[in-house]
Amino acid sequence: DQQVKQNSPSLSVQEGRISILNCDYTNSMFDYFLWYKKYPAEGPTFLISISSIKDKNEDGRFTVFLNKSAKHLSLHIVPSQPGDSAVYFCAASAKWSGGSNYKLTFGKGTLLTVNP
Amino acid sequence: KAGVTQTPRYLIKTRGQQVTLSCSPISGHRSVSWYQQTPGQGLQFLFEYFSETQRNKGNFPGRFSGRQFSNSRSEMNVSTLELGDSALYLCASSLASGQETQYFGPGTRLLVL
Repeated sequence: DQQVKQNSPSLSVQEGRISILNCDYTNSMFDYFLWYKKYPAEGPTFLISISSIKDKNEDGRFTVFLNKSAKHLSLHIVPSQPGDSAVYFCAASAKWSGGSNYKLTFGKGTLLTVNP
Repeated sequence: KAGVTQTPRYLIKTRGQQVTLSCSPISGHRSVSWYQQTPGQGLQFLFEYFSETQRNKGNFPGRFSGRQFSNSRSEMNVSTLELGDSALYLCASSLASGQETQYFGPGTRLLVL
C-alpha cells in the first residue's frame, strides 16, 4: 500500500528552465510534507517543507505547492541548474491522535537530470 | 555544527550473521529514526527513538532492533542476516519527536552474501 506516490521515475529538463516534480498521497491524515534531494552515496538532504495549513512555500529557487483537495503536491525549481541533478524524494507525515507517533513516509523518488 | 554521522559506511556480511550499525545525531537532537533504502522499495521506516525509548516502529520483522543511549546516539542491530537485508541504512535525527524536519546521515551500505 503505497501512500506516497511519485509517478515519474525520471525527468529531464534544460538548464535555465523550470523543473516540476509531482507527488500524490492517499492518506488524508498526512499534514506535513517535505522534499529531499539525494545524490548517489549520500543521505537525503532536506530541501523544503510545507504544512497542510498552507498551500505554498517558497525558498529561493524552490517552491512547493500543496493541493489538499487533490492530495497532490509539487516542487518547482526555477531556474534549473545542472547541480540540481539528483533523485528527489517526496515525504509525508501525520500526527496521530493520542500520541506523537512520527515517521516519514517516502515516495520512491524521481531522478531529475538538468542538461547544460 | 556537525551533521549526522553513521559508522561504518560500508559493510559486507554473510547470511546468518548479525550486524550492528551506529548513528550519532546532530548535537542537541534527541530523536533518531532509522530507514532502509532498497531499489525496489525506496525508503522505508524502521523505527524511531526518543529519550532512549522506541516511539514508533515500522513493518519490519523482529530481527531488526535498535536502542538509544543517554547521549542520543543510536544503534541498530540486524540478527540472522538474509540476502534481502542488503540495503542502504539511513539514520535521521531531529530536535524532538513529532512534526520535525529530519536530517539524514550518509548511510551505511550493507551487503549480505
